[in-house]
Amino acid sequence: AQSVSQHNHHVILSEAASLELGCNYSYGGTVNLFWYVQYPGQHLQLLLKYFSGDPLVKGIKGFEAEFIKSKFSFNLRKPSVQWSDTAEYFCAVGSSGGSYIPTFGRGTSLIVHP
Amino acid sequence: SAVISQKPSRDICQRGTSLTIQCQVDSQVTMMFWYRQQPGQSLTLIATANQGSEATYESGFVIDKFPISRPNLTFSTLTVSNMSPEDSSIYLCSVGGVGNTIYFGEGSWLTVV
Repeated sequence: AQSVSQHNHHVILSEAASLELGCNYSYGGTVNLFWYVQYPGQHLQLLLKYFSGDPLVKGIKGFEAEFIKSKFSFNLRKPSVQWSDTAEYFCAVGSSGGSYIPTFGRGTSLIVHP
Repeated sequence: SAVISQKPSRDICQRGTSLTIQCQVDSQVTMMFWYRQQPGQSLTLIATANQGSEATYESGFVIDKFPISRPNLTFSTLTVSNMSPEDSSIYLCSVGGVGNTIYFGEGSWLTVV
């Protein structure tokens, strides 16, 4: 069974700071990888996803994530955060050949101070 | 991606009562799921709603507590039965897309008092 670990549970940054949220997974097969975002009072939205190809994936709002297979990681990055990026971020991993349903990490709460 | 609508969006319920949450999708989808998101925690899959047959429940969730209906490919309901304060949570309807992609509805915020 796959598992997902998000190391940072709470991150506090000032505007314009750079962001990197860690996500590691355990699964030996081919994976599909996701980052979801939940803004305060809103529903979960897909931020970006990786299925195959270029391991550097660009998503909405200037976010990107890099799949490093050797490290079983899919870290989320943004070079300069804004106050509006304050949200909960969830990493998820699905196995291409196994259960359809992805496994979610515990989430990282990001607070950006103006 | 599909548009997923849930009702009610919020409710405050008395313990011991039951509440049914409705989920309507604007297009036919094969895979529909119900998740729970408790305060400060990650998403937990409750069950897969199967069209025309009984739902498939995850470990720790049972049909008597969380009966689910899926009469067609665009609609599903989740009932939270005999509620207790521990059932206070966000309940999320979701559908499956390409690959393992999951799309979520806006959620139903349930508070049990």
